[in-house]
Amino acid sequence: EVQLVESGGGLVQPGRSLKLSCAASGFTYSNYVMAWVRQAPTKGLEWVASISTGGGNTYYRDSVKGRFTISRDNAKNTLYLQIDSLRSEDTATYYCAKDYGGYSEFDYWGQGVMVTVSS
Amino acid sequence: DVVLTQSPATLSVTPGERISLSCRASESVDTYLHWYQQKPNESPRLLIKYASQSISGIPSRFSGSGSGTDFTLSINGVELEDLSIYYCQQGYSLPLTFGSGTKLEIK
Repeated sequence: EVQLVESGGGLVQPGRSLKLSCAASGFTYSNYVMAWVRQAPTKGLEWVASISTGGGNTYYRDSVKGRFTISRDNAKNTLYLQIDSLRSEDTATYYCAKDYGGYSEFDYWGQGVMVTVSS
Repeated sequence: DVVLTQSPATLSVTPGERISLSCRASESVDTYLHWYQQKPNESPRLLIKYASQSISGIPSRFSGSGSGTDFTLSINGVELEDLSIYYCQQGYSLPLTFGSGTKLEIK
């Protein structure tokens, strides 16, 4: 059974940093592109970043470039999202997602982790 | 960026109805269009991929069609458990983008 379990969220002050983790199991993690998708309270889904199977290629939405860093550890089956210079507009539930088609569709999602940016 | 416009924003339905939800892309995405269902307080779930391909474990009442810029998600015989928000998403080009969603509610 595929499982994606996020952790690391919480209440953070503007300008501070946070690192999210996603522990993957139930599939050959190193074979799949992985991604982070977020959802602000009462809003829709927004792709944040994707990372290639080996981690050498990363892609971001414009609004997070330079502040977010996606990475992965294939030995630990874990995906990460380092978030720096947090802004109020980063407040959202962050989902880890398995990308089946390679920068295309997300066939499995984690339960999500809430990040709240507030002073 | 590819903009996906979903309509209607909200759809009131009666159980048993056949309904169609629309997703229109600002430019062609071929068939790289996927549909998700998100129930309240749950994570999204992939319903249909590549416009019309079914997903294992998804009830057969869900189907998809379209290509290029116009896509449709159909539910043949809505059930109470289908009350959710439905999102389309394009996987044709980065940045990956989602539509704003269609909320299905009971009439």
